[in-house]
Amino acid sequence: QVQLVQSGAEVKKPGASVKVSCKASGYTFTGYYMHWVRQAPGQGLEWMGWINPNSGGTNYAQKFQGRVTMTRDTSISTAYMELSRLRSDDTAVYYCARARPLQWLVPADWFDPWGQGTLVTVSS
Amino acid sequence: EIVMTQSPATLSVSPGERATLSCRASQSVSSNLAWYQQKPGQAPRLLIYGASTRATGIPARFSGSGSGTEFTLTISSLQSEDFAVYYCQQYNNWLLGITFGPGTKVDIK
Repeated sequence: QVQLVQSGAEVKKPGASVKVSCKASGYTFTGYYMHWVRQAPGQGLEWMGWINPNSGGTNYAQKFQGRVTMTRDTSISTAYMELSRLRSDDTAVYYCARARPLQWLVPADWFDPWGQGTLVTVSS
Repeated sequence: EIVMTQSPATLSVSPGERATLSCRASQSVSSNLAWYQQKPGQAPRLLIYGASTRATGIPARFSGSGSGTEFTLTISSLQSEDFAVYYCQQYNNWLLGITFGPGTKVDIK
């Protein structure tokens, strides 16, 4: 079955960087866009951006531009999200989520499935 | 950025009753709207996409309607496993950004 498995929880100090991985299985990794969404404790969902796993092309939410980098390693069907210059308000659960097939040219960016989430805690 | 609002923030419903959740977009998103269910400690689960199409494996008691700026998620007869937080999400133009509503918590009356 289609599955996304993320790396484990991280604790970081303010100013540091964190890199979260998302390993895909059960489908052709390079055939679908991958998005990242975060959720601060007790809060709602916040979209961060996407990566085209085939080309490596990315699109980031304006809020995160300059601090986020999304990459992939097609040899192991894994996507990565790195967030730099961490602040306390970056404490959140970070999710990867599969979206549309690359060849679809119509809006189709609903997310299914999602990874299990990775808690990133930023604390001094 | 398209701003999504949801109402009410909390909905108290008895098991077996009908629940109606609303979602509004600050500008038209056509039918490019999805609904998710999230339970504590779990990732969101896709319920509806295209405003009204149920995702695979979603029970028929969940239905979505609307287009443009006004959308509704209806749960026809609430089961115990339906008590959760529900989010709407617009994906009308991914280059301009994807946004979620703040969520509606459905709890037991």
